[in-house]
Amino acid sequence: EAQVTQNPRYLITVTGKKLTVTCSQNMNHEYMSWYRQDPGLGLRQIYYSMNVEVTDKGDVPEGYKVSRKEKRNFPLILESPSPNQTSLYFCASRPDRDPPNNEKLFFGSGTQLSVL
Amino acid sequence: DAKTTQPTSMDCAEGRAANLPCNHSTISGNEYVYWYRQIHSQGPQYIIHGLKNNETNEMASLIITEDRKSSTLILPHATLRDTAVYYCIVRVGSAGGTSYGKLTFGQGTILTVHP
Repeated sequence: EAQVTQNPRYLITVTGKKLTVTCSQNMNHEYMSWYRQDPGLGLRQIYYSMNVEVTDKGDVPEGYKVSRKEKRNFPLILESPSPNQTSLYFCASRPDRDPPNNEKLFFGSGTQLSVL
Repeated sequence: DAKTTQPTSMDCAEGRAANLPCNHSTISGNEYVYWYRQIHSQGPQYIIHGLKNNETNEMASLIITEDRKSSTLILPHATLRDTAVYYCIVRVGSAGGTSYGKLTFGQGTILTVHP
């Protein structure tokens, strides 16, 4: 089944303790992206990657890192989490060919992160 | 990407058609209209997209005005499971280039389907 898999689904941590949220897709998509969603603010893009070893900042990249060493994986790293990073996080992917169908994003189920 | 404007919320009776409007008055000739929806705290789901012709798939219909400055997503027979936030996005449907990597979702329309 074609899907985007995020882990973990729920995560509670403390300020300053490094964490990684994993994201994997099995559709051979070139493009992957991370979003965070907060009440009243909608979905905001954190980082995106157009292909392996190519990453770029979205609208709210501060406090986050990403890497794209292989096509299927796009982990989100919080080196020193803070309470303002408590949020619902979504990973998404899409192909980068066959426009305009390449704009059809596939989203993961989300990761609810709480930083105490 | 062109800016879009959607109503904050709408109601619809179960079994009736839900018509969700979106204004995109600054849309360019090569920009497509895409619709997604997000059911409570789940990942957004693609619904449909179109350029200038009306489009229909198994989920919905998309009506784009002749001047392309607005569109309407139609759920022909809304069910309680269609209660969700609906996002209208305008994008250049082209591949490649980091300038196409940014994608911002607006606030969307909260559609509530009631019995």
